[in-house]
Amino acid sequence: AQTVTQSQPEMSVQEAETVTLSCTYDTSESNYYLFWYKQPPSRQMILVIRQEAYKQQNATENRFSVNFQKAAKSFSLKISDSQLGDTAMYFCAFMNRGSQGNLIFGKGTKLSVKP
Amino acid sequence: GAVVSQHPSWVICKSGTSVKIECRSLDFQATTMFWYRQFPKQSLMLMATSNEGSKATYEQGVEKDKFLINHASLTLSTLTVTSAHPEDSSFYICSAVSGGPIDEQFFGPGTRLTVL
Repeated sequence: AQTVTQSQPEMSVQEAETVTLSCTYDTSESNYYLFWYKQPPSRQMILVIRQEAYKQQNATENRFSVNFQKAAKSFSLKISDSQLGDTAMYFCAFMNRGSQGNLIFGKGTKLSVKP
Repeated sequence: GAVVSQHPSWVICKSGTSVKIECRSLDFQATTMFWYRQFPKQSLMLMATSNEGSKATYEQGVEKDKFLINHASLTLSTLTVTSAHPEDSSFYICSAVSGGPIDEQFFGPGTRLTVL
């Protein structure tokens, strides 16, 4: 069975600084997707970034980028130029291709951006 | 695009009553919808997978007679908490799969249930 581990329950960063959130996963599958979701205080789940396992190039979305290390089964999220609005819970998630969209979530990292 | 709504956004009910939560995909058809439960400061816990026109698949430990799921159309799934008790108080989130090349989930805004 697939598992997703987020080893940092809480993190904080100063506004405008850079922070990296860690995520590791375990799977025997070769064709899968990885996601980072943000859940702000409103509790609406928001997709931050997505990585397809067969793509070697790391995904980037504006200030958000990932470091995808397939052999190490690592998928970290880097947030550059942190903003107060980035304060949220961040969940790493795994999806096996062909699983009807079934996501396996990590336990989450609570990120606080301080002014 | 890819908007999912939930109704109600919050509900307070008395112990022993039943509560229905609706999940709608507003601008796409969703053959698959998921229902999650989230306790404070915890991750999402998958309760069940709902496929249009068929019975829901429940995760281990989730009482199917207590949490009734009906996926009657390609845009609507409902979760009914029957004979609710205070321990059922929680945040319930639904999601719908877009059916595109990635089967990406789009999440509703959640429903906060409080059982008195």
